[in-house]
Amino acid sequence: KAGVTQTPRYLIKTRGQQVTLSCSPISGHRSVSWYQQTPGQGLQFLFEYFSETQRNKGNFPGRFSGRQFSNSRSEMNVSTLELGDSALYLCASSPYHEGPSNTGELFFGEGSRLTVL
Amino acid sequence: EDKVVQSPLSLVVHEGDTVTLNCSYEVTNFRSLLWYKQEKKAPTFLFMLTSSGIEKKSGRLSSILDKKELSSILNITATQTGDSAIYLCAVPNAGGTSYGKLTFGQGTILTVHP
Repeated sequence: KAGVTQTPRYLIKTRGQQVTLSCSPISGHRSVSWYQQTPGQGLQFLFEYFSETQRNKGNFPGRFSGRQFSNSRSEMNVSTLELGDSALYLCASSPYHEGPSNTGELFFGEGSRLTVL
Repeated sequence: EDKVVQSPLSLVVHEGDTVTLNCSYEVTNFRSLLWYKQEKKAPTFLFMLTSSGIEKKSGRLSSILDKKELSSILNITATQTGDSAIYLCAVPNAGGTSYGKLTFGQGTILTVHP
């Protein structure tokens, strides 16, 4: 069974540009979450999607946006890039959103490493 | 706002040593506490501890939840070089019922020398 796939794996952008990152969850998983990981702040929650609806949003500016498609694939977009947006962006999927069957386990992808110059 | 603090931030040991990693939390409505291991890029799930399951064990790894002290420990016995990783502690969104929104601690970087 294929794991969570994130593309691109590495990318370099300049300040002011925008970027779109893609995440394909494990087949059958309908819940997708995004996290930003930096050495200073650690792992910080960005968004959570289930059935094409954003269920939760973290404390990030409006430049950060996302969406989920009917096949559960998700994208996140960062506009007007700043140097501080340089980070590893991790996507995680889960078969459940809520309910007693939820084990709490998230399956993470390898991430997209964004460098902003 | 939920808060998770881990200690120590880094730890260097030799193979065969036993280590204890700490995690303390502040949440408005505790549901569970999770431990993840991050070796290179993708964190992988280790344990989930709840009020009804305060102790978990898997091989050389074990974890205990202390709800009174609002903390948890992760023990690794007979460490191996393959245990070198970042160990992350997290709590799920207090106001919801899903586990997609987690608040993570800073992580403990464990280095095991041969």
